This record gives sequence, C-alpha cells and structure tokens, in this order.
Amino acid sequence: QVQLQESGPGLVKPSGTLSLTCAVSGGSIGSGSWWSWVRQPPGKGLEWIGDIYHRGITNYNPSLRSRLTMSVDKSKNQFSLKLNSVTAADTAFYYCARLYGSTDFNKKHFDYWGHGTLVTVSS
Amino acid sequence: QSVLTQPPSVSGAPGQRVTFSCTGNSANIGAGYDVHWYQQLPGTAPKLLIYGDINRPSGVPDRFSGSKSGTSASLAITGLQAEDEADYYCQSYDSSLSGWVFGGGTKLTVL
Repeated sequence: QVQLQESGPGLVKPSGTLSLTCAVSGGSIGSGSWWSWVRQPPGKGLEWIGDIYHRGITNYNPSLRSRLTMSVDKSKNQFSLKLNSVTAADTAFYYCARLYGSTDFNKKHFDYWGHGTLVTVSS
Repeated sequence: QSVLTQPPSVSGAPGQRVTFSCTGNSANIGAGYDVHWYQQLPGTAPKLLIYGDINRPSGVPDRFSGSKSGTSASLAITGLQAEDEADYYCQSYDSSLSGWVFGGGTKLTVL
C-alpha cells in the first residue's frame, strides 16, 4: 500500500518561500503515476495546486503558476513543492497525493493522500 | 467561489438515505469528465470514496453510490450511520483550467 508523508517548516514569513517535501513509501515514484499537491485553508475547501510526473513533467494551477515550482527526486522516492512570495492567503493544510487511474489524464483521481501538514504564513 | 457547486450542508437520521449534489458546467462535468467523491472525517485527510462517477474503491461499503447526468453528479448514502458524519467533496477535470477542480464541500450531520 502506497503511503505519503509531508514534511517541511510549519511557519513561513510573508514574502518568503514555502517548501514542502512528500516522501513516498510502499511504491516507486517512477511507477508511472502522477503526484500532486492539494491545499485546504483551515475551515475551508480543497484547492488543487499542481501535479508532477516522475520524468519532471508538470501541470500547475494557473492561479499559482507564477509562484510555483514542483520537482521529483527519484533517488529519494520523493517529490517537492516550492511556493514563493507567500502571503497569509497561503496559510493552509498542504496535502500530497497520488494522481491515479485511467490512461486518460483527465479521468484521473487522487487515490492515496498524505496526512497533511499545516503551514502558517506569519511574521 | 468553487467551480463545482455543492450545498453547504445536508442532514439525516440514522438509517435514512441522503444525497449530495455537485453541479458543474460544460467545461467540466458537462464535458463528460469523470466525477470523483472524497470523504473527509474531522481532522483527517480526504479519503477517496467514489471514482469514475460510480466506482467504489476496495473497502468502501456499498451503502455509498455515485451517479452523473448532464452537468451534475450525485453521491448517495443509504443506511446512514453516525460514523458517516464528515465533509464530502466532489472533484472533476476542468478544460478551461487544464486541471482539477473541487466542489466547496458538503457537511453531513447525522441527527
């Protein structure tokens, strides 16, 4: 069974860079799946951030694209997220997830999720 | 404002049947893209409940079912149980975003 675990600083200063890593266990990150980030402001709904394929192909939410970088480290079986120029609006629980399913990209779903990590943007 | 529209809350008594609606448009559900549903228990990560409109992952009881018609999708729970109290989110692909969209979520209260 695939397991995902997020890690990174829980507090980031405004205008700084939010950096998170998701460690994948129970399966290879190069298995052909896509890997994603989803966030959830406290008490609010889910927002898709972006996806990455093990070969480094990315798909970003247009609203975050100018500030977002995702990468994969196959040697460590993990993938990462960097979001720069953060503001209080970026305060949220950040989840990593596996994007899985049909060979049709637009039919995929998030089947495994990490437990999530709260990142607060504050001085 | 979420791209997919869900009612904020739904309630039902134990044993009853409840339904959750998820309304989109021609760029997502109406374009024929699959709808998926997630259950989020308090303080936990979302859990996949229904994928590909109607399919249940292994381990999800058959009390949960999904359907889709036109620009909308629905999730139904029969034989409601106290442990079903959670937030429920729908998700689909959106061609105008070239990415994934979620509904705002519906909070289920078991009376």
